[in-house]
This record gives sequence, structure tokens and C-alpha cells, in this order.
Amino acid sequence: EVQLLESGGGLVQPGGSLRLSCAASGFTFSSYAMSWVRQAPGKGLEWVSAISGSGGSTYYADSVKGRFTISRDNSKNTLYLQMNSLRAEDTAVYYCAKGYTSLLLRAAFDIWGQGTMVTVSS
Amino acid sequence: DIQMTQSPSTLSASVGDRVTITCRASQSISSWLAWYQQKPGKAPKLLIYKASSLESGVPSRFSGSGSGTEFTLTISSLQPDDFATYYCQQYNSLWTFGQGTKVEIK
Repeated sequence: EVQLLESGGGLVQPGGSLRLSCAASGFTFSSYAMSWVRQAPGKGLEWVSAISGSGGSTYYADSVKGRFTISRDNSKNTLYLQMNSLRAEDTAVYYCAKGYTSLLLRAAFDIWGQGTMVTVSS
Repeated sequence: DIQMTQSPSTLSASVGDRVTITCRASQSISSWLAWYQQKPGKAPKLLIYKASSLESGVPSRFSGSGSGTEFTLTISSLQPDDFATYYCQQYNSLWTFGQGTKVEIK
């Protein structure tokens, strides 16, 4: 069964850091681009960042550029999101999502994790 | 950046109704559009990709149409399991979601 399992969320103070992980199983992880998508409480979905299958190409939303870093370890079938300089507006459920094809761009998200909550508050 | 606008924001309907949700892009995205269903406390689920292709396992009462800047998601006969929030997403240039349409019980 294809599965994504996020971890690493929690409560952090403004200006702090957090690293999220997403463990993948049931598919050839290195063959697919991956993304992080977030959803603030009671709000809609916001794409955050994406990375190619090899890890060589990355993209970021303007709202997180320079503060967040996406990476992956294909030997561990794991996706990461390093979040620095966190702000109250980063409070959200963070989902990892698998690209529908092997392409980084022009691909919808066919598999999603269950999400991990990040709360930025003093 | 490409903006996506869904309408309506909320839709009240009854079981058996035909339901249509519209999504407009701020510029042409060809057919690079997906539709997702999300239930409270759950992750989104892919329904439609490339504007009109039905994802495997999704009931055939769901259909998508459109190209360029105007797209629609249609549920031909609303079922109890379909009450949820629906999002469109463009993936022509990075990724952008619409604000969502909540389908609630009338």
C-alpha cells in the first residue's frame, strides 16, 4: 500500500525552528517529486515547497522562501522540511504529497499523508 | 502568480442533486487542473486531474471539464458521502489552490 506518514510537528515559539519528516512506503520514492502543502486552521490549502525525485531541483512559495528548506534522503525514503524563523502565520497542518508522475512540474498530487500540526506561539 | 477563484464558496444541496462547482484561473493554464475532495480532519483526496481525467477508484458521478481559464467539477447525483469541501488546483506554473467550495446538506 502506498503511504506517507508525517512527523515532527509541535509547538514552537516565534523565531524558532522545526524539522518535519515524511516517511514514504509502497512506491519507488526516488522516482517521484514530492511537495509540502499546508492548511491553516479553518482555511484553505497552500502549496509550500516541492522537490524533484533526485533532490536536485527545488521550488518554494514566496511566503516561505529563505526560511524553509526542503530536502530528501532517497536511501531512507524520507522527505524533510526544515522550517526556520517561524512566524505565527506558519501555524498550520503540514501535509506531504506525492507527485502524480515522475515529473517535478506539471503534476498533481495523488497521495497525501495524514498531516502534522505546527503551532507557532509564545 | 496564477490566482484561482472558485464559486460558490458554499453550496447547499440535497442527496440526488446535480452539483456544479466552477473554478477560474487568472491566466490560461491549458488543462493543467486538478480537483480534490477534503473531509474534516482528513487529507485531501485527488478526484480529477488534467481537467477531465478521473482518478482511479473515484466514482463515475464525478466529472470535470474545461480548459484555458474556465473549469467545472460536476457531481451528477450527490451522495451522502459527497458532503465535503472541494478544491481546484492549477499546476501549469508551480501550484495554486482555489479557496474551496463547501458542499453542505440542504
